[in-house]
Amino acid sequence: DQQVKQNSPSLSVQEGRISILNCDYTNSMFDYFLWYKKYPAEGPTFLISISSIKDKNEDGRFTVFLNKSAKHLSLHIVPSQPGDSAVYFCAASGSSGTYKYIFGTGTRLKVLA
Amino acid sequence: DTGVSQDPRHKITKRGQNVTFRCDPISEHNRLYWYRQTLGQGPEFLTYFQNEAQLEKSRLLSDRFSAERPKGSFSTLEIQRTEQGDSAMYLCASSLAGGFNEKLFFGSGTQLSVL
Repeated sequence: DQQVKQNSPSLSVQEGRISILNCDYTNSMFDYFLWYKKYPAEGPTFLISISSIKDKNEDGRFTVFLNKSAKHLSLHIVPSQPGDSAVYFCAASGSSGTYKYIFGTGTRLKVLA
Repeated sequence: DTGVSQDPRHKITKRGQNVTFRCDPISEHNRLYWYRQTLGQGPEFLTYFQNEAQLEKSRLLSDRFSAERPKGSFSTLEIQRTEQGDSAMYLCASSLAGGFNEKLFFGSGTQLSVL
């Protein structure tokens, strides 16, 4: 069963505009969420995280929003830049009992110049 | 700054052969993870270690897969009697246990092709 879902396999955005990537989860035990970016032939690199005690976390152009009641999180990138073109994965973990991270299937973002 | 290092980067093998991959984590990190990624999918959890103890294995991991982390430093992942379905990118990640501040740092992966 896919506990972390990214239902949009791809997204195209014009440079300078906002990119919104979405992620849904099913396991209510998840309380820590991360976003990773992946370029071809490289491992994923950490972008931003959020714990369940918050509903928003910002780091520069990247903001993650968490809606616990909807079991939904989103990553906002503003303004989008061509270098942001990559595959984005959300990941979730439960801090009690297990520390493994479950990843979604990814969304390929293309920022058009 | 030495990140997570994986060796080899690429491995081509024939079906039925055994392969072994190595991962060197960031030196002060006490947790080490193995993931597998196939085309169009996200990284799939295989197993993780805290120091030298293997704390969890995916139920999807067959008996042909074994991982070790002697002395809590580098780790090896061995696949015995490889099958074509084992073809994937094998990713290693490490972290410093720290609750909500924990971040996984990934290596560049080992791309396995089983012919």
